[in-house]
Amino acid sequence: AQTVTQSQPEMSVQEAETVTLSCTYDTSESNYYLFWYKQPPSRQMILVIRQEAYKQQNATENRFSVNFQKAAKSFSLKISDSQLGDTAMYFCAFMKHGALPKLTFGQGTILTVHP
Amino acid sequence: EADIYQTPRYLVIGTGKKITLECSQTMGHDKMYWYQQDPGMELHLIHYSYGVNSTEKGDLSSESTVSRIRTEHFPLTLESARPSHTSQYLCASSEWGGDSPLHFGNGTRLTVT
Repeated sequence: AQTVTQSQPEMSVQEAETVTLSCTYDTSESNYYLFWYKQPPSRQMILVIRQEAYKQQNATENRFSVNFQKAAKSFSLKISDSQLGDTAMYFCAFMKHGALPKLTFGQGTILTVHP
Repeated sequence: EADIYQTPRYLVIGTGKKITLECSQTMGHDKMYWYQQDPGMELHLIHYSYGVNSTEKGDLSSESTVSRIRTEHFPLTLESARPSHTSQYLCASSEWGGDSPLHFGNGTRLTVT
């Protein structure tokens, strides 16, 4: 079974600064996908960024980028130029490649961006 | 935002009542899911569906049941609600591709008294 661990229950950052959220996972699979989802207070959870395990290049989406270390089973999220709207709970998630369409989520990290 | 809708948004109900949480999506997605999320905690998959007439139990054991008679509709039912069922229930859908992202609804926050 896969496990996903987010060791930072809460983080805070000043507006316009950079913050990194940590995620580690444990799997025996070689082909899989990793995701970061954002859940703003009382709003829908949305996808922030995704990474395919067989791709060595780190994914980027505007101010969001990941540091994917496959050997270390680490998948951190870097948010640059933080904005107040980035305040949310962030979940790291793992999906095994194949027929089963299931995500395994980490415990989440509450990020607060201060003005 | 994604076109996936959950009703009700909040529900407070007494023990022993039967409840159905509604979830509908207008994107034509084959895959649909129900996750349970306690406050400040991770999501746990309780049910999923590959398509019409296909339902499977997820990783977390749940006393709830689901049905998938239409592609767009994936309701979750509790025959007899108990306080232990108090939680947030999130519905999601995705396209068929292996790495297709999940589109989530707003969730239903259920409180059983």
